[in-house]
Amino acid sequence: DVKVTQSSRYLVKRTGEKVFLECVQDMDHENMFWYRQDPGLGLRLIYFSYDVKMKEKGDIPEGYSVSREKKERFSLILESASTNQTSMYLCASSHYRDGNQPQHFGDGTRLSIL
Amino acid sequence: QKEVEQDPGPLSVPEGAIVSLNCTYSNSAFQYFMWYRQYSRKGPELLMYTYSSGNKEDGRFTAQVDKSSKYISLFIRDSQPSDSATYLCAMSARSDDYKLSFGAGTTVTVRA
Repeated sequence: DVKVTQSSRYLVKRTGEKVFLECVQDMDHENMFWYRQDPGLGLRLIYFSYDVKMKEKGDIPEGYSVSREKKERFSLILESASTNQTSMYLCASSHYRDGNQPQHFGDGTRLSIL
Repeated sequence: QKEVEQDPGPLSVPEGAIVSLNCTYSNSAFQYFMWYRQYSRKGPELLMYTYSSGNKEDGRFTAQVDKSSKYISLFIRDSQPSDSATYLCAMSARSDDYKLSFGAGTTVTVRA
């Protein structure tokens, strides 16, 4: 079974802090994604990476950056955390050879910015 | 207007009932349709994947697509308490699209 592991289930940070969310997948997938999930808004794509050191902006990249130095690891960085970034963050991965579907999700990091 | 609309519910049904979930969409280019199930404190997992119009059945689950009406449905027969979850629809225009458009999700509770 594919396993996507997010380093923290719950995280509390302060406004202005630099925050790192880590994600690791164990299936050699080319694609990795970061989403945020908010009530009534569903999943919104923040960033996507299709290869090491490659990234593309999603629908809501403002205030975020990403890093992919190794194929199995994809990091989301909040450069200067703000209260409107309080949310559930989901990492996902998928195999290019499978036509990018399905996406396999981690169990999420619930981030609170105080 | 959102590209994909999904009634957030919540929906509460007795065990054994048929659960009916649906999404509407505005982008006529969408051809690939997915239903993800998300249990509490877990990430979403793919439940059904369909292409174009028609029905697809997998055990107690049936997915329907009506492209002419831009409407998709998921039916759960003989619902069980273990079906209690949030169900999200997702769709894309191409099979190799990495970017999916998600509905907001419908929360379902099946009462024993």
